[in-house]
Amino acid sequence: RKEVEQDPGPFNVPEGATVAFNCTYSNSASQSFFWYRQDCRKEPKLLMSVYSSGNEDGRFTAQLNRASQYISLLIRDSKLSDSATYLCVVTAYGQNFVFGPGTRLSVLP
Amino acid sequence: GAGVSQSPSNKVTEKGKDVELRCDPISGHTALYWYRQSLGQGLEFLIYFQGNSAPDKSGLPSDRFSAERTGGSVSTLTIQRTQQEDSAVYLCASSLGGPLSGNTIYFGEGSWLTVV
Repeated sequence: RKEVEQDPGPFNVPEGATVAFNCTYSNSASQSFFWYRQDCRKEPKLLMSVYSSGNEDGRFTAQLNRASQYISLLIRDSKLSDSATYLCVVTAYGQNFVFGPGTRLSVLP
Repeated sequence: GAGVSQSPSNKVTEKGKDVELRCDPISGHTALYWYRQSLGQGLEFLIYFQGNSAPDKSGLPSDRFSAERTGGSVSTLTIQRTQQEDSAVYLCASSLGGPLSGNTIYFGEGSWLTVV
């Protein structure tokens, strides 16, 4: 089993739609969690950190479920500019940042 | 500089040649990472430097790959006797502290390597 797994995608959604991505991790000792976004042929960039109580940043909401070892990202009112690959990132003691394979999102006009 | 700087941004080399890729992390960042990403694939961890500690080389795919970090700042990734399967974008990243310090990781724009 891979350390970090994500919905395979791609997700093709119309503008204005709400879309949710899931990510699961295998290391129960994982302590820090992030969502990154990567545009085509660009470097990954931090979208948001994920906190235990869940957190929201505008149209983006991240949730963490430690018991089930999964993280989610919800995007409301999708924009064309949200089209990208979304990477789930996890770290644990003695472990580097581990990136999931990514979920590709295409927001269609 | 303001961000992680990598050079060259693009490199085309002949199979069997050696290449050096350079990374200048964000000033003050003690942790430096190298990742590799082949076209359409996920990020593959290569090596991690943290301060004066011995680097974590567990991700280097073969002994043709090596990296060093001089003076706790600039890092060079060297690939010897390049093969076509080495073609990828090599991404350098840095963070203020190690992975568990709660700090996030910032990437450079990458060095795009093509082996012909």
